[in-house]
Amino acid sequence: DAGVTQSPTHLIKTRGQQVTLRCSPKSGHDTVSWYQQALGQGPQFIFQYYEEEERQRGNFPDRFSGHQFPNYSSELNVNALLLGDSALYLCASSLKGNYGYTFGSGTRLTVV
Amino acid sequence: AQSVTQPDIHITVSEGASLELRCNYSYGATPYLFWYVQSPGQGLQLLLKYFSGDTLVQGIKGFEAEFKRSQSSFNLRKPSVHWSDAAEYFCALTPDYKLSFGAGTTVTVRA
Repeated sequence: DAGVTQSPTHLIKTRGQQVTLRCSPKSGHDTVSWYQQALGQGPQFIFQYYEEEERQRGNFPDRFSGHQFPNYSSELNVNALLLGDSALYLCASSLKGNYGYTFGSGTRLTVV
Repeated sequence: AQSVTQPDIHITVSEGASLELRCNYSYGATPYLFWYVQSPGQGLQLLLKYFSGDTLVQGIKGFEAEFKRSQSSFNLRKPSVHWSDAAEYFCALTPDYKLSFGAGTTVTVRA
């Protein structure tokens, strides 16, 4: 049974560019949450998707947007990249109303 | 607003010794509390969680945690540490399905 799959594992982008990160949830899960983990910090909640809609959002600017597809997979898009966006981006899946989160291994984004 | 504080940034412990990681939270009611472990380059693995009931919670890999409402704490313990326990440990809470994490405690295990 596959867990949460994230792609790519590593990515290097230039300031001002746009990036798309992808997440496939664990089989049976229908909710996807995204977290940003800066070096030496705990993960920070970005947003959560369920039924293809953004249900909750953390304190992140509109440059961060997302999407959920009918098969429950999700994308995180970041526009106009800043150096400060360099971080590990984690995807977590769960079943709606359930606190059993499964995390992926993350995408390491470096902005230069 | 809720918050989680992990007072210890880094702890070094000898293999076979006991380990205790501290976690304090701020929230108006009793939140759902979690401990996660993160090995280098990896995602987060759930060690244990507390929702209600017995305040001493058993988890995987021999870890346990005790919820103390009066102290707003949820400390993690392990009686005998193995070299493979070297990792970063995060305490988290949620009242509403989005997790709020502490800054983490890095555990180094010396032989």
